[in-house]
Amino acid sequence: QKEVEQDPGPLSVPEGAIVSLNCTYSNSAFQYFMWYRQYSRKGPELLMYTYSSGNKEDGRFTAQVDKSSKYISLFIRDSQPSDSATYLCAMSAQITGGGNKLTFGTGTQLKVEL
Amino acid sequence: DARVTQTPRHKVTEMGQEVTMRCQPILGHNTVFWYRQTMMQGLELLAYFRNRAPLDDSGMPKDRFSAEMPDATLATLKIQPSEPRDSAVYFCASGSNPDQPQHFGDGTRLSIL
Repeated sequence: QKEVEQDPGPLSVPEGAIVSLNCTYSNSAFQYFMWYRQYSRKGPELLMYTYSSGNKEDGRFTAQVDKSSKYISLFIRDSQPSDSATYLCAMSAQITGGGNKLTFGTGTQLKVEL
Repeated sequence: DARVTQTPRHKVTEMGQEVTMRCQPILGHNTVFWYRQTMMQGLELLAYFRNRAPLDDSGMPKDRFSAEMPDATLATLKIQPSEPRDSAVYFCASGSNPDQPQHFGDGTRLSIL
């Protein structure tokens, strides 16, 4: 079993819909939680970054972390065709000596249709 | 915007050949990561460096892969000899602090025939 599980999709929604993307994890040492967006033939780019539990909002994006359930979510409001991409969750535990070793989910492919 | 630069963007070569991929981290970033991305496995960490010293290369097949940082502006990942199963997209990422997120390059798409 992988440390981080993510439904690969594809997920297809109409423009304007609210999108919910999720990841579960098994390692209770994870403290830092991230969502990356990856367009085709490009590198992942950071969308949201949160520490520990709670919510964080940035424009149309909201990240939620529930450490008790080992579950994180990304919500996209008023989805746009430009949101069509693969969304990867990533997590890290603080390690001795610094560094930020990330464990990624396999990514969820999202398509927002006109 | 500062960016991580990877070269080459694409590489096609025959099995058994040596492959060298290069990465220029963002100026001032002191942590550099190498990842491999495939459809089946997703993004896997191969190795990472902090202040040019290797911290962890446990994700890398050491019999054929090697990673180095000759200086602060260049990281290299070599495969010798290459095999068809090495076909993947290889990403480099860099970061500036232990608790800050990483920034990725656009990858090297490698095909081994």
